Amino acid sequence: DGGITQSPKYLFRKEGQNVTLSCEQNLNHDAMYWYRQDPGQGLRLIYYSQIVNDFQKGDIAEGYSVSREKKESFPLTVTSAQKNPTAFYLCASSIGTKPRETQYFGPGTRLLVL
Amino acid sequence: AQSVTQLGSHVSVSEGALVLLRCNYSSSVPPYLFWYVQYPNQGLQLLLKYTSAATLVKGINGFEAEFKKSETSFHLTKPSAHMSDAAEYFCAVSDNTDKLIFGTGTRLQVFP
Repeated sequence: DGGITQSPKYLFRKEGQNVTLSCEQNLNHDAMYWYRQDPGQGLRLIYYSQIVNDFQKGDIAEGYSVSREKKESFPLTVTSAQKNPTAFYLCASSIGTKPRETQYFGPGTRLLVL
Repeated sequence: AQSVTQLGSHVSVSEGALVLLRCNYSSSVPPYLFWYVQYPNQGLQLLLKYTSAATLVKGINGFEAEFKKSETSFHLTKPSAHMSDAAEYFCAVSDNTDKLIFGTGTRLQVFP
């Protein structure tokens, strides 16, 4: 079955710690995205990548970093500079980045601060 | 700049009643519009999308939405609510950029 997997389902971060969220897709999609979801705020774009070895900042990139070394993988690192990381993180992918193309979402990772 | 407004953060209906979730958009060019559904602690699933082919768009699970340019609206409807429709619904807009802009969501409750 084709789809998007995210791991872990739950992640706990200690003060000053960097943590990495995994996102893998086997849909052969070129574009991948990371969103942050907070209650009552909808989804906000953190980073996106249109092609391997290239990515762009979204609306709330501060305190986050990404890499895109393989087409199927787009990991997100939440750094210690992100002071309020508690949220639900969603990864998505699409065939390309044309406006009409559908984004498909993974099941999400919930990040909690200890 | 494009934007989306979803009126009503919570909507409650009885099972069998009409479901109406409102979405208004702002876009400087003809938009592409999407409705997604999210069940608790899960990702988003596409319900339907408007890509200028037809103004009335039918989606999964009996949902449909009508694009009204004069009202800049793309409201989601379902004639008869089912208990399994209880979820959060997001409207999103995309125009000539490579980004999808989401509304803040509407939580639908269905009472027996």
